[in-house]
Amino acid sequence: ILNVEQSPQSLHVQEGDSTNFTCSFPSSNFYALHWYRWETAKSPEALFVMTLNGDEKKKGRISATLNTKEGYSYLYIKGSQPEDSATYLCALYNTDKLIFGTGTRLQVFP
Amino acid sequence: DSGVTQTPKHLITATGQRVTLRCSPRSGDLSVYWYQQSLDQGLQFLIQYYNGEERAKGNILERFSAQQFPDLHSELNLSSLELGDSALYFCASSVDYRGGMNTEAFFGQGTRLTVV
Repeated sequence: ILNVEQSPQSLHVQEGDSTNFTCSFPSSNFYALHWYRWETAKSPEALFVMTLNGDEKKKGRISATLNTKEGYSYLYIKGSQPEDSATYLCALYNTDKLIFGTGTRLQVFP
Repeated sequence: DSGVTQTPKHLITATGQRVTLRCSPRSGDLSVYWYQQSLDQGLQFLIQYYNGEERAKGNILERFSAQQFPDLHSELNLSSLELGDSALYFCASSVDYRGGMNTEAFFGQGTRLTVV
């Protein structure tokens, strides 16, 4: 059974703070790691798909890194804004299954 | 708009009944994934289809079944419903066989099922 773990479970930050979350996964037989952003009452939307050890991806103020040898990925948000408030999910792709972690719920206060 | 359409948006039914949830993937996507999100739970993978064939199974109960049709739309059938089946059911699609290798999954808006 694939176990994808995310920490912390929730996070409250002030507008302007930078923050980061962790996704941990089994390092064997790695294929791809996804990050999604899930706003309340909407459906998850993809942020990044990462496949190579050492990958770094960036979209605006959000970036992610990947370490497949030790089985973790970090998601960073620089200068958090209230509109960044959402649940951030990582998902591990393995043998036709996309297995999600339980997410990190971020709340950014103005 | 992700391009993935799920119907109905809401469904209320009684225990013991059977329902069918429908998903139309994005144009051109061959893979369809079904997920269940229960209260305080994450997205639980149920099943994946590619071009009409079942490719992977997750924690899907025997009372549940799915299929993907030649026009690539998919249906998730839930039977002998129990109170605990109340959840948000998501469908997602992706473009290629190994849907998660290099391409993201696009999610529908979900069907909220309430069993009373």
